[in-house]
Amino acid sequence: AQKITQTQPGMFVQEKEAVTLDCTYDTSDQSYGLFWYKQPSSGEMIFLIYQGSYDEQNATEGRYSLNFQKARKSANLVISASQLGDSAMYFCAMREAYSGAGSYQLTFGKGTKLSVIP
Amino acid sequence: IAGITQAPTSQILAAGRRMTLRCTQDMRHNAMYWYRQDLGLGLRLIHYSNTAGTTGKGEVPDGYSVSRANTDDFPLTLASAVPSQTSVYFCASSRATGGANVLTFGAGSRLTVL
Repeated sequence: AQKITQTQPGMFVQEKEAVTLDCTYDTSDQSYGLFWYKQPSSGEMIFLIYQGSYDEQNATEGRYSLNFQKARKSANLVISASQLGDSAMYFCAMREAYSGAGSYQLTFGKGTKLSVIP
Repeated sequence: IAGITQAPTSQILAAGRRMTLRCTQDMRHNAMYWYRQDLGLGLRLIHYSNTAGTTGKGEVPDGYSVSRANTDDFPLTLASAVPSQTSVYFCASSRATGGANVLTFGAGSRLTVL
């Protein structure tokens, strides 16, 4: 079973509008972390935001916020006031608690391609 | 500028040849990682190293080997390249493992195996 599921291969949003990118995860651990990364067409991976499983408040970083719903195992990324420069691939990733060999590693989803329309 | 340097940026390689992708970081991060990115599959972990002198296998380790002789360098070797290893390879590092430690990525190495 996939640990990270991003169900939207592609999304379009009008400039200045808000957009939500979906991410659901699968883990039996109580302690885990969720990350979002942005990959523009230039190819680099840019860290956006982090949410710990014990964090009571949703993480925010500027125009980015993470809508964390623990019971639903979802960690959706919300981008407010979209800009043309937000056009990119977005990856959700999870780090689970230590569990032996291969522990602490980030597992990535397959990504969502966001296109911002002027 | 502190960060991760990967080399080569791009390479075309004949099947059966040996290839080493180089990765160097200057942030004194303890942990380093190699991922491959394929269209529609996201990033998959090949090998990792939690600290100098130790390595571990990720999700897709077959056909690859790594070494971590010191903190800064983490080369990835393809002993005998095959076309299915055509991919973009990302090296990453983090200050420590676990928790909120963020991975910093290199710019990637695009490898084509013919």
